[in-house]
Amino acid sequence: EADIYQTPRYLVIGTGKKITLECSQTMGHDKMYWYQQDPGMELHLIHYSYGVNSTEKGDLSSESTVSRIRTEHFPLTLESARPSHTSQYLCASSESGGPQETQYFGPGTRLLVL
Amino acid sequence: QKEVEQDPGPLSVPEGAIVSLNCTYSNSAFQYFMWYRQYSRKGPELLMYTYSSGNKEDGRFTAQVDKSSKYISLFIRDSQPSDSATYLCAMSHFYDYKLSFGAGTTVTVRA
Repeated sequence: EADIYQTPRYLVIGTGKKITLECSQTMGHDKMYWYQQDPGMELHLIHYSYGVNSTEKGDLSSESTVSRIRTEHFPLTLESARPSHTSQYLCASSESGGPQETQYFGPGTRLLVL
Repeated sequence: QKEVEQDPGPLSVPEGAIVSLNCTYSNSAFQYFMWYRQYSRKGPELLMYTYSSGNKEDGRFTAQVDKSSKYISLFIRDSQPSDSATYLCAMSHFYDYKLSFGAGTTVTVRA
């Protein structure tokens, strides 16, 4: 079973607030990912990291930012939340060189911006 | 055009029925094909993966890939209420392993 954790699981916040979504994994995986998932829609990659101090934007444009200071930790920050940021955010990790580099997902954070 | 198209569903079947889920794709560079299962309020979990064309079985689950038609399928035999979930197809290139997902099909197995 994958050991990847996300907090908070649910967040309701007002417009303009700064928020940080936490993601941690205990598997020592070098690659980590953030996806956005809306009902009935594909998961869209918004950020990824191939190791410490490495971050890249994904295929879907996002106003969020990420950092990777430690292997196990990959937080996502929204400086000023807006209702358009309402979504589910999923964090995943994988090991380079593993079988097709299986991605293991956390339980997700459901964000509602009022 | 989306890279990956998945039959939208939802599907509702009686217990014991065979469930058939399908995806098509347009990018010939996809080499790895996966099915994820996502229960309500949970993250996706890998169910099966395949690399080559053909069938792969794992218990009640069979994954099928037809690269010539750019078509993949997942079959669930003897479906159980515990199989009720959203099933996501996903695929990746051999050179960067980034995943492209279908939109998911929600399956309900009625007891």
